[in-house]
Amino acid sequence: QSVLTQPPSVSAAPGQKVTISCSASTSNIDNNDVSWYQQLPGTAPKLLIYDNNKRASGIPDRFSGSKSGTSATLGITGLQTGDEADYYCGTWDRGLSVAVFGGGTKLTVL
Amino acid sequence: QVQLVESGGGVVQPGRSLTLSCVASGFPFSSYGMHWVRQAPGKGPEWVAVLSFDGIDKYYADSVKGRFTISRDNSKKTLYLRINSLRAEDTAVYYCVKANYGDFSLGYWGQGTLVTVSS
Repeated sequence: QSVLTQPPSVSAAPGQKVTISCSASTSNIDNNDVSWYQQLPGTAPKLLIYDNNKRASGIPDRFSGSKSGTSATLGITGLQTGDEADYYCGTWDRGLSVAVFGGGTKLTVL
Repeated sequence: QVQLVESGGGVVQPGRSLTLSCVASGFPFSSYGMHWVRQAPGKGPEWVAVLSFDGIDKYYADSVKGRFTISRDNSKKTLYLRINSLRAEDTAVYYCVKANYGDFSLGYWGQGTLVTVSS
């Protein structure tokens, strides 16, 4: 059972915007930084966002991250069919010295 | 650019042991903490362990404590994961993941190596 909660799925049309939420029932997110990962079918997870809102190298500005309290959000604008993937949030909990992930959100671009 | 290449996976019988390796390039390996994360078929990622840049600080998930050992050889730019007493539930793709500089937050992932525990 994931400590971070994400919606199982989201969908939107090409060109539209979508947001994916990540919430914690404990202080996992509140006191720590959140990262976001994209996993295309059959591939390894790829870092998109780190430190809540910083884009990893080579990631277009269509992807953005934010955090408020015990919740974080990934935003994707100008949706493309190539964005269809599973998206995971994660954090290193400095207090517990463990890493935790969300259960993942499957993005469908209709 | 950052490259992480895992190896050592395969089909292993329950109860046996296995050592996974991850060779790093494209960054100063000896300056970064490193993680192992696994992903069972059809499931999300599960964090396994982390090791500090100097090999001194190491932390494990409760689910693997006592059976898994993380280690590194900075002269070879290689991270290891020793898995003892393999169980069916250890079947997964194992990824090595570079931590971000200065802390243990997870950054770049390797391509993974598949471990299948089956008789």
